[in-house]
Amino acid sequence: DAGITQSPRHKVTETGTPVTLRCHQTENHRYMYWYRQDPGHGLRLIHYSYGVKDTDKGEVSDGYSVSRSKTEDFLLTLESATSSQTSVYFCASSSGQATDTQYFGPGTRLTVL
Amino acid sequence: QKEVEQDPGPLSVPEGAIVSLNCTYSNSAFQYFMWYRQYSRKGPELLMYTYSSGNKEDGRFTAQVDKSSKYISLFIRDSQPSDSATYLCAMSVHSNTGKLIFGQGTTLQVKP
Repeated sequence: DAGITQSPRHKVTETGTPVTLRCHQTENHRYMYWYRQDPGHGLRLIHYSYGVKDTDKGEVSDGYSVSRSKTEDFLLTLESATSSQTSVYFCASSSGQATDTQYFGPGTRLTVL
Repeated sequence: QKEVEQDPGPLSVPEGAIVSLNCTYSNSAFQYFMWYRQYSRKGPELLMYTYSSGNKEDGRFTAQVDKSSKYISLFIRDSQPSDSATYLCAMSVHSNTGKLIFGQGTTLQVKP
């Protein structure tokens, strides 16, 4: 399995506070993705990156920003967390083609009170 | 209407049964079709991948794509308790971004 880790694994925060989630991969994959998973919605793409400093929006990007300063790290920031952002967040990485496997991290369970 | 629809279940079957999981989609531009398996409190992992229409078999698993009906299926033969998981279909239009649209996932329980 690809080496992809997420930190923290669990976080409880309060509405209005900033939150940063970290994804780290050791496969030198070009592409990295952030998804959120909610009951009734499956996995939805928040943002993705196709290289260092190259990022683009997914289908649910409002309220989220990302940064990628190194190939191996992809950060997801909630500038001012809201209760609607309570979710399980998954990071994934791949070589980049649609035919390539996306390898997922173990997820971060975020609760916004 | 969601681009990809998948019955969330739950689906409960006895061990040894044949399982059929399905997704429908609305975007005729989808060309790449995947099935991911997700165990409880784990990240999804790729199970099957199919390009365009047709069938693909891998052991006890068979993936089918019918683009004319905008319908994909995953069949599991001789189901085992270890197959108990959530199965997510995923689809993609573009080959150079890997952006996937996922279904809601179907939760499957195989009872011994």
